[in-house]
Amino acid sequence: GESVGLHLPTLSVQEGDNSIINCAYSNSASDYFIWYKQESGKGPQFIIDIRSNMDKRQGQRVTVLLNKTVKHLSLQIAATQPGDSAVYFCAENVGGGADGLTFGKGTHLIIQP
Amino acid sequence: AAGVIQSPRHLIKEKRETATLKCYPIPRHDTVYWYQQGPGQDPQFLISFYEKMQSDKGSIPDRFSAQQFSDYHSELNMSSLELGDSALYFCASSLAGGQPQHFGDGTRLSIL
Repeated sequence: GESVGLHLPTLSVQEGDNSIINCAYSNSASDYFIWYKQESGKGPQFIIDIRSNMDKRQGQRVTVLLNKTVKHLSLQIAATQPGDSAVYFCAENVGGGADGLTFGKGTHLIIQP
Repeated sequence: AAGVIQSPRHLIKEKRETATLKCYPIPRHDTVYWYQQGPGQDPQFLISFYEKMQSDKGSIPDRFSAQQFSDYHSELNMSSLELGDSALYFCASSLAGGQPQHFGDGTRLSIL
């Protein structure tokens, strides 16, 4: 079936720089998207979400952009810190209710000192 | 803030044995989800419950079953365990059958 995917498995960024993690999805029926951060030995931690009626949403140091025309999602992290090192997953939900999420392949974000 | 609690954190079983994993959702959350994550893989959705009724079903093997109880906690029952069942099992919860889902720190199941 259709699934969400990521372009790069590993992203290396200098501390203090901005990070951009990309995600492509193929199911045009998806109407809810979410980003998670997963540190080693822990469960996915909610970062930010966005519904298909929006194209941008901002949180603390994070911004999610949704381009429905090209079915692309991105997560921007401002002023990357060592604590941002983790695997980042995007996920989608079709239906919005108590349905399971379809996860993309994770991107491992590495922060260089 | 209270999070999703999963027990046990680690479990070692042998082939053909059974296992029961438990999940206690965030207080007031009435929806629970189960996911399986293999090494280096993304989480795969297994099954979800809303108000004690099965809501959605993913790639859950027939050897596995789950239920949600009156206090909203959930249990994942796994039988005839196979080596390939070795993975991290995550539970997530949400409010009123909606999103976002909040995850626990998982149960690491190892099959010998």
